[in-house]
Amino acid sequence: TQLLEQSPQFLSIQEGENLTVYCNSSSVFSSLQWYRQEPGEGPVLLVTVVTGGEVKKLKRLTFQFGDARKDSSLHITAAQPGDTGLYLCAGVRNYGGSQGNLIFGKGTKLSVKP
Amino acid sequence: DTGVSQDPRHKITKRGQNVTFRCDPISEHNRLYWYRQTLGQGPEFLTYFQNEAQLEKSRLLSDRFSAERPKGSFSTLEIQRTEQGDSAMYLCASSKGHLAKNIQYFGAGTRLSVL
Repeated sequence: TQLLEQSPQFLSIQEGENLTVYCNSSSVFSSLQWYRQEPGEGPVLLVTVVTGGEVKKLKRLTFQFGDARKDSSLHITAAQPGDTGLYLCAGVRNYGGSQGNLIFGKGTKLSVKP
Repeated sequence: DTGVSQDPRHKITKRGQNVTFRCDPISEHNRLYWYRQTLGQGPEFLTYFQNEAQLEKSRLLSDRFSAERPKGSFSTLEIQRTEQGDSAMYLCASSKGHLAKNIQYFGAGTRLSVL
């Protein structure tokens, strides 16, 4: 059972469209991080959200952490071909024994066509 | 800030051989993590170091895997008697600061192919 479910798994859109990627869990996380990964490279950090209900904006990207800290979303406005990549959400589990290792979703593979 | 560095970037080996990967974390980061990523999956946690102490190991880390961080700086991950199922991208990440937030920065990874 995947602890963090990401949807959709694949998304192919035209340049200029908007999109939302979801990251859901039944577990509570003390923080959640979004990464973007290019083929053959490591994940690159986009944002960290910590507080329930928190919204962070990074240019055309808007990240939201659910009130209960169990889910998150990434919204991209007016997508561009440069946004193409694998988007990963990763949570830090919220219990005393955690050493802070990240629990990853399977990722959303985004393709933006010009 | 030179980022997290991993070496080699690619490794092709024959089944049964031993391989060793190296990770150099961001210099002031006391925490270091190893993850494994297979095709179509997100990274999965393997093991964690705080300074030189290995504090957590995943059940994914079989007896054939061993990791060290001898002086609390760089780390090595060794796989003995490699199997085809070991083929994956091996990622290293480092962090510092509050554990609950634990912002981790990743290296470019080592892609292992076992023939």
